Amino acid sequence: DIVMTQTPLSSPVTLGQPASISCRSSQSLVHSDGNTYLSWLQQRPGQPPRLLIYKISNRFSGVPDRFSGSGAGTDFTLKISRVEAEDVGVYYCMQATQFPWTFGQGTKVEIK
Amino acid sequence: QITLKESGPTLVKPTQTLTLTCTFSGFSLSTSGVGVGWIRQPPGKALEWLALIYWDDDKRYSPSLKSRLTITKDTSKNQVVLTMTNMDPVDTATYYCAHSHWTLFDYWGQGTLVTVSS
Repeated sequence: DIVMTQTPLSSPVTLGQPASISCRSSQSLVHSDGNTYLSWLQQRPGQPPRLLIYKISNRFSGVPDRFSGSGAGTDFTLKISRVEAEDVGVYYCMQATQFPWTFGQGTKVEIK
Repeated sequence: QITLKESGPTLVKPTQTLTLTCTFSGFSLSTSGVGVGWIRQPPGKALEWLALIYWDDDKRYSPSLKSRLTITKDTSKNQVVLTMTNMDPVDTATYYCAHSHWTLFDYWGQGTLVTVSS
């Protein structure tokens, strides 16, 4: 299985300030078709996960442009340009390049 | 719009078999590239991918749970069923179903909490 490792596990952020979450995979996520199937999901308290970003950097429908994804190979980053109160929650990276699909441990974003 | 809803027992006893149903709307499970997956989350813990069934009946399972899981679909009823045998207290979790388009989960159900206890 591909292991997904996120850092940090907790990220206290001041409102309006940026936040960054790193996700590293135990092997390259480049698929044989040339695509990299790395997604980011947000889980607000008491809510199901919500897709934010797919294929490294593509924002899903309705996702604010303050969220951005980058990276390649085994190293990926989710950035929030200016954290808002509604961004509080746990963020997960997920790989779908190889079965079984696997998730990171989650990074909790909270307001200082 | 796409919606999914999980249903099933909230409490099961150890060794029993869990049967969960995902009832969906807004898409067809006979459309190329479409799938429905199951993911679980123990209280306070991370997400764990369990199984996925595609429009062409291709089925994928978590290797660590494969011997206990079965996923099926009923396209006419817009339902996907997951069964998990030999339930244990460590299987206590919120179980989610989600719509998949090829290689992502873009729509999720609200989840259903299943507690395993005697």
